[in-house]
Amino acid sequence: DAGITQSPRYKITETGRQVTLMCHQTWSHSYMFWYRQDLGHGLRLIYYSAAADITDKGEVPDGYVVSRSKTENFPLTLESATRSQTSVYFCASSESRVRGTEAFFGQGTRLTVV
Amino acid sequence: RKEVEQDPGPFNVPEGATVAFNCTYSNSASQSFFWYRQDCRKEPKLLMSVYSSGNEDGRFTAQLNRASQYISLLIRDSKLSDSATYLCVVAGSARQLTFGSGTQLTVLP
Repeated sequence: DAGITQSPRYKITETGRQVTLMCHQTWSHSYMFWYRQDLGHGLRLIYYSAAADITDKGEVPDGYVVSRSKTENFPLTLESATRSQTSVYFCASSESRVRGTEAFFGQGTRLTVV
Repeated sequence: RKEVEQDPGPFNVPEGATVAFNCTYSNSASQSFFWYRQDCRKEPKLLMSVYSSGNEDGRFTAQLNRASQYISLLIRDSKLSDSATYLCVVAGSARQLTFGSGTQLTVLP
C-alpha cells in the first residue's frame, strides 16, 4: 500500500540496548523527518533529511543516529537506549517542490525503555 | 521562550458552539503555517494550511497575521467529531515543522 509506514508499532527494550526504528515511504518524497512526542513537550524534531545521503540535526538529536541511503527509507537508531528516550516516535515525509506543502505522518512507534 | 506557543486549553464546549484557538510564533523568517489535528494516540494530520489572506474550509477558518506573528483557528458549529488536539505548526525553509504543544478540544453533547 502507498503511504508512510513505521515499524515496529510497539517496542520495549532495556536500558543500554541499541534500537532501530524503521520508516518507509512510497511517494518518493524528498524530505523525511523524525519527531518524538512527550507529554508537556509536544512534538519535537530529532533529525531530518532533505534527500538521500543528506541529514541534519533537529531540536533534540542527542543519543540518536539516522541514515538515508535510499530515498524511501529513513531509519532512526538509538545507540544506547535510556529511560528518557521512552516516547512516541513519529516519522513524516514531505514533497520538496512546493513550498507550504503538508507533511504526512506514519502511525507512530511507542517505545518503552525499562 | 518556545518557538510556537498556543493557548494551553483544554477547551470544553457544547455542540454547536464557536471556538477559537490562538497561536504565536517567534521566528519571523518562518515561511509556511498550518493547523494539524491529532486524535488520541494517533498521528497528526493536516487540518488546513494558513495564508495571510485568510482561508476557510467549511466550518473552519484560519487567519495569519505576519506582522504580529499570530495565527488563529475558528471552528463554527462544533461537532462531537471535532474533539481532538489542535496543533499550530510553523515551517522553515528546510520544510522542518515546529509544533506548538497543542490545545485539547472536547465537544460535549
